[in-house]
Amino acid sequence: DGGITQSPKYLFRKEGQNVTLSCEQNLNHDAMYWYRQDPGQGLRLIYYSQIVNDFQKGDIAEGYSVSREKKESFPLTVTSAQKNPTAFYLCASSREGQPQHFGDGTRLSIL
Amino acid sequence: EDQVTQSPEALRLQEGESSSLNCSYTVSGLRGLFWYRQDPGKGPEFLFTLYSAGEEKEKERLKATLTKKESFLHITAPKPEDSATYLCAVNTGFQKLVFGTGTRLLVSP
Repeated sequence: DGGITQSPKYLFRKEGQNVTLSCEQNLNHDAMYWYRQDPGQGLRLIYYSQIVNDFQKGDIAEGYSVSREKKESFPLTVTSAQKNPTAFYLCASSREGQPQHFGDGTRLSIL
Repeated sequence: EDQVTQSPEALRLQEGESSSLNCSYTVSGLRGLFWYRQDPGKGPEFLFTLYSAGEEKEKERLKATLTKKESFLHITAPKPEDSATYLCAVNTGFQKLVFGTGTRLLVSP
């Protein structure tokens, strides 16, 4: 079945450590997105990419980095510069003009 | 600034008790309004897209409507399996979505 796979489901970060969240899609979608979800807040856009080798900052990009070397993959690195990384991270993808479809998220916590 | 406000924050219904969820928005240019359902620990699941005032979409017990300032998600005769958080989002351009904070719906048997 086609879909979006996020891994791992749970991730723990130590102080000063960078961690990378994986997002893979087999829907042949051009655009991919990363969101952060915190309790009581709406999803907030971190980064998005409309085409391979190109990406743009969203509303809360500070402390995060991404790459888009393949159409299927859009990994997110949470760097040590992100001082409040504990959240539920969601990856999405879409075709132009179509709704975004989401993976089942990665929950990141601080050790 | 583009903004989406959902109400109520939480709603408790008895099975079969119909109700509506509200999504009001202020955007510079609406390029689609989306409704999603999210279960605990899962990603949002797409329900509907609405593009213009007066448009309606239906799926099983759910019906979404759109005016120039707000959208409603009507739930008719809900069942316990309809319990979830319902999210509203607007497309403000370049497929960028602005989300509301959601309505947590609990349907009791």
